[in-house]
Amino acid sequence: QVQLVQSGAEVKKPGASVKVSCKTSGYTFTSNVLTWVRQAPGQGLEWMGWISVNNGNTNYAQKFQGRLTLTTDTSTSTAYMELRRLRSDDSAIYYCARDVLGMGGFYFDNWGQGTLVTVSS
Amino acid sequence: SYVLTQPPSVSVAPGQTARITCGGNNLGSKGVSWYQQKPGQAPVLVLYDDSDRPSGIPERFSGSNSGNTATLTISRVAAGDEADYYCHVWDSSGDHPVFGGGTKLTVL
Repeated sequence: QVQLVQSGAEVKKPGASVKVSCKTSGYTFTSNVLTWVRQAPGQGLEWMGWISVNNGNTNYAQKFQGRLTLTTDTSTSTAYMELRRLRSDDSAIYYCARDVLGMGGFYFDNWGQGTLVTVSS
Repeated sequence: SYVLTQPPSVSVAPGQTARITCGGNNLGSKGVSWYQQKPGQAPVLVLYDDSDRPSGIPERFSGSNSGNTATLTISRVAAGDEADYYCHVWDSSGDHPVFGGGTKLTVL
C-alpha cells in the first residue's frame, strides 16, 4: 500500500533552516507529483508548493518564494522540504501529500503523518 | 486568486444528516475533493471528483457540485464523524491547489 513517512519533530531558532523528509513506498516514485502543505496551530491547510518527481519541476506559493526549496532523491524515493530564514509564525505541522490527477484536476490521495516544526528562541 | 468559502461550523445530532457547503466562483466547472481531519491526525481523502469515494470510505459520505456550490453530505452521522472537513480544488490558472477554510463538524 502507498505510504508517506515523514521525519520527526524539529525545534529551530529564528533565522535557522529546517529540512523535512517524506519517504514514500508502495508506488512508483517518479509517477506522481508531491505537494507540501502546512497547518499552523488551530488554523487551516496552507499550500506551500509542489514538485514533479519525474522532471524536477516545481511551483512555490508566492509567500514562500526565495525561502522554500523542494527536492527529491529518486534513489531512496524520498522528497524533501527545506524552509530557510525561519520565523516564529512558521511554527506549524508540515505535511507531504501525493497528487493524483482526477477528472477535474489534482487531488491528494495519501498524506504523510505530519512533522511538527517549532520555531522559538 | 481563487477562493473557496466554507462555514466555520456545522452541528448535527447523531443519526441525522450533515451537509457541509463549499462556495466558489463557477465551482461547478471544477473537480472538488473533500478531506476529513480528526484532531492530531493528518487529513484523509473522503471524496474526489465531486462525488467519488476512495476505497474504505463509507457510502454515507456523498457529494455534489453545481453552480457556485459543492456540498459534502454525511448521512446517519455518528460520533466518529466529528472532525474538520476541508474542500479543495485545483486552480488551473495558477497551477496550484486551493483549500477552503475548513468546517468543524460537531455531533451533538
